[in-house]
Amino acid sequence: DVKVTQSSRYLVKRTGEKVFLECVQDMDHENMFWYRQDPGLGLRLIYFSYDVKMKEKGDIPEGYSVSREKKERFSLILESASTNQTSMYLCASIGVLGSPLHFGNGTRLTVT
Amino acid sequence: QKEVEQNSGPLSVPEGAIASLNCTYSDRGSQSFFWYRQYSGKSPELIMSIYSNGDKEDGRFTAQLNKASQYVSLLIRDSQPSDSATYLCAVNIVGTYKYIFGTGTRLKVLA
Repeated sequence: DVKVTQSSRYLVKRTGEKVFLECVQDMDHENMFWYRQDPGLGLRLIYFSYDVKMKEKGDIPEGYSVSREKKERFSLILESASTNQTSMYLCASIGVLGSPLHFGNGTRLTVT
Repeated sequence: QKEVEQNSGPLSVPEGAIASLNCTYSDRGSQSFFWYRQYSGKSPELIMSIYSNGDKEDGRFTAQLNKASQYVSLLIRDSQPSDSATYLCAVNIVGTYKYIFGTGTRLKVLA
């Protein structure tokens, strides 16, 4: 079974802080994703990575960056956290495009 | 028009009844279709995948796909209170990393 692990379930950060969200998968998947989920807006793609050091912007990349230095790890970085980045953040991975996404447990981030 | 549309609900059904959840999508390049269940405060978990027209059954769950009409549905037989959750429909555009999610239908199964 695929295991996708997000390092924190809950985070509270202050406006302006630099925030790191970590995600690790154990299935040697090439493809990893970061989504955020907000009520009424559904899941929106922030960034996608298809290989080490390779990334593509999703629908809402502004205010975020990512890092993929190792195949199993995909990090989301909020350069300067703002209150409108308060959200549920979901990491996912897949081996082959078109397969179902496997999600981590999610990180509920609150920016005050 | 939203790319993947679902009725937000809540859809209330009595315990033991069949719950029918529907989803329409706009992109004819959609190739893979998924239903996820999400409990409040938790992450989505995969229930069913369907890739070709017709029905696919897995236990109490049946997914139905009609590409000509661009809809996909999920039937839950013998609904249980533990099925109360939000159900997300998702589609993947063929050959891309784009997975488009609906905003979900909230299901309430009444004991």
